[in-house]
Parts: sequence; structure tokens; C-alpha cells
Amino acid sequence: AQSVTQLGSHVSVSEGALVLLRCNYSSSVPPYLFWYVQYPNQGLQLLLKYTTGATLVKGINGFEAEFKKSETSFHLTKPSAHMSDAAEYFCAVSETTGGFKTIFGAGTRLFVKA
Amino acid sequence: DAGVIQSPRHEVTEMGQEVTLRCKPISGHNSLFWYRQTMMRGLELLIYFNNNVPIDDSGMPEDRFSAKMPNASFSTLKIQPSEPRDSAVYFCASSSGTVNTGELFFGEGSRLTVL
Repeated sequence: AQSVTQLGSHVSVSEGALVLLRCNYSSSVPPYLFWYVQYPNQGLQLLLKYTTGATLVKGINGFEAEFKKSETSFHLTKPSAHMSDAAEYFCAVSETTGGFKTIFGAGTRLFVKA
Repeated sequence: DAGVIQSPRHEVTEMGQEVTLRCKPISGHNSLFWYRQTMMRGLELLIYFNNNVPIDDSGMPEDRFSAKMPNASFSTLKIQPSEPRDSAVYFCASSSGTVNTGELFFGEGSRLTVL
């Protein structure tokens, strides 16, 4: 069974600083990996995804993530934080069996200080 | 294009009452998921359907919860009887596995408060 661990329930950065949100996964088969963002009182939106191919994937709003199989990690980064990045971020893993069952991590709330 | 549509957006009910949450997935999507979000437990997968057939309901907390998908454009999640600990935001999401490789499209959620 797949699982996702996000390190740090809260991360605080200054505006303009590097954003690093950590995610480790467990999967018995090659996984599909995702990062989603949730703004207050809204559903989740896809930021980026890894399926196959290039291990460094770029998403919306300047975010990117690198799939490292040897480390079973899929950390999310952004070179320069913006106030509008403040939100909750979820890492997710999906296995391509019977309809893409998707499991989410506990989430990391990102705070951006002016 | 219309996204995933959930109703009601907010529901306040009393303990013991029946609650029905509704979801209309994106047209053409063949997978549908129900999640529950709480502060304590995060996002929990309750059940998911593929081509209208329940594939995995191991996340349904107990027999008080039931979900149906009578056709490709409609699903319900029912709680009977409801309890205060069921208070949460319930999300429906849909996916077209063969096209979007598992990307989920979420509705805006149904916030349930059981008094």
C-alpha cells in the first residue's frame, strides 16, 4: 500500500526566500506523484505532477519538484516566495491500479512573512 | 468547462439526522473519489469509484456511511444517523485516468456541521 509523509506541518519563510517543502513516499509499484495546493475555503488544485520521464518537473506559479527514486522523495521548491504562496500544500501518491487510488500526505501550511 | 459540482456547500444538522451530500463529476471522467478533511486527520480517502463501480471503500469509517454512483454524472455520500464527530469538509474529486494520469479535479467541498 502506498503512503506519503510530509515533514513539517508548518513552514515559515520570508518573502523572496527559498521555499522547500519535503515529501517522502512509499509505494510498491512505480508511483505517480503530485503536489496540490489548497487556499482557504477551496478545494485542492494541482500544482505539478510526475508520471514518467524527466525527474525534475515544473508546475504553476514557479514551483518545481524533483523525483528521487533512491531517496523515495518528491520535495517541492520555489526559488523566491511570494505573499500569494501562503496556503496549504499536499503531496500525493497514486498507483495505476484500478482507477488511480490517490493518497495524500498530512499537508504543510506555508506562511510567508513580509 | 464546468468543474466538479458539490452540493450543499454548507450543511448544519442535528445529531441523528440523515445527511446526503451530492457530487456531479466532470463530464467524461471515469473515476470519482470522496474525501473527508478534518484538522485532526487531514485528508482521508473514504471511497472511490471507477466506471461507476466502487473499487475501494476501506476508508468508509463505519456502516453509518454509504456512497452510491448510479450513473456517470452523479454520486451521493450518505450519513445515517449523523454524529458530531462526522463534522468535516467532504470533498468530491473526479479523474480521467486514461488521459490525465491520475490528476484529481476537486469540487469546492461540502462543510458539514453536526450539532
